[in-house]
Amino acid sequence: NAGVTQTPKFQVLKTGQSMTLQCAQDMNHNSMYWYRQDPGMGLRLIYYSASEGTTDKGEVPNGYNVSRLNKREFSLRLESAAPSQTSVYFCASGRFNEKLFFGSGTQLSVL
Amino acid sequence: KNQVEQSPQSLIILEGKNCTLQCNYTVSPFSNLRWYKQDTGRGPVSLTIMTFSENTKSNGRYTATLDADTKQSSLHITASQLSDSASYICVIPSNTDKLIFGTGTRLQVFP
Repeated sequence: NAGVTQTPKFQVLKTGQSMTLQCAQDMNHNSMYWYRQDPGMGLRLIYYSASEGTTDKGEVPNGYNVSRLNKREFSLRLESAAPSQTSVYFCASGRFNEKLFFGSGTQLSVL
Repeated sequence: KNQVEQSPQSLIILEGKNCTLQCNYTVSPFSNLRWYKQDTGRGPVSLTIMTFSENTKSNGRYTATLDADTKQSSLHITASQLSDSASYICVIPSNTDKLIFGTGTRLQVFP
């Protein structure tokens, strides 16, 4: 049982480059989330999807876009990367009011 | 303002010793409180979820307590092991169902 799978694990970008972070879950969860984690701060929600076909902004959505491709997959896209987007990104999935399952994270550096 | 504050920020203990981590919150209304463990380089993993009516909940050597009157929770680790070295994060859903994450306590267990 793979759980939540994120790719890539590491990425280095130059300012202005674009990239897509991929996330897939095999637990049949309706809800999926993208968080970023920065030193000294709690995880912050970027975007979430309560069900297939819907997405909503979280606390820090600027500079990001998402796609809920199907029930399993939820991708996060950086159209024009900025140094402020250097962070560790986590995808998560779960059922309402139950525990979340997190992926292993993507460490992104924007130079 | 909904906040989750954890203390201490970091903690060093010797293997076999007990320790207690604290979580204070101002989130209202309160529905449940969650403790997650995050190993270095990995995503958070759920340890326990406590609802309003639960005072104590155990998961192996981990025991969480909740005092909804004082808005405090603690996570007690008994007979610590090297594998307990991790960050422990307190999480509470807000009234909009978004999760509010504490900044975590980083625990290091030395032999």
